[in-house]
Amino acid sequence: IVLTQSPGTLSLSPGERATLPCRASQSVSSSYLAWYQQKPGQAPRLLMYGASSRATGIPDRFSGSGSGTDFTLTISRLEPEDFAVYYCQQYDSSPPLYTFGQGTKVEIK
Amino acid sequence: QVQLVQSGAEVKKPGASVKVSCKASGYTFSTYAITWVRQAPGQGLEWMGWISTYDGNTKYAQKLQGRVTMTTDTSTSTAYMELRSLRSDDTAVYYCARRDYHDYWGQGTLVTVSS
Repeated sequence: IVLTQSPGTLSLSPGERATLPCRASQSVSSSYLAWYQQKPGQAPRLLMYGASSRATGIPDRFSGSGSGTDFTLTISRLEPEDFAVYYCQQYDSSPPLYTFGQGTKVEIK
Repeated sequence: QVQLVQSGAEVKKPGASVKVSCKASGYTFSTYAITWVRQAPGQGLEWMGWISTYDGNTKYAQKLQGRVTMTTDTSTSTAYMELRSLRSDDTAVYYCARRDYHDYWGQGTLVTVSS
């Protein structure tokens, strides 16, 4: 499965809404789709799993949606700390199959 | 609290091997699989492989088959990733992460391959 994240860069202002798409080349089973945030010099941080479930401690301005081949991460109002790179990932343990998208960078406009 | 602590940075020559460790604490090690992910400088995340901490079953990315081996030591709650026949394009930060959707990550280990 190939995950495509486009655009590669989103230029937005604090307070704006960010919509990050992730498209799969084949249907993702049981919505085994996760989103991660990564800041420079840091390990990725889990934001969402199961397409729409927020990980522990993630603010509710982050939300995930979608099924099948089309998924979206939405940040309702961008805070300064949200400017980072975001990756989607398909995961399935039976059999183990994991793929990352190439990432979308959300930068300050 | 859950922690994954990785071994320190390595510098290797082309053709050599590297073995990175990932010590888990704060949970029952055999409950969740460990995945290894790497990130070349300025690039995205690349899934390397997966190991079941329950029975040692492994699955490797096709491009690394034959060069990578993942193991675990349940007595010390430690996972290992060995990469052989290193090339310059193996230069990357290597991460371990817990479970199918990676809720906890190690801090990363920089492996530099240079002559």
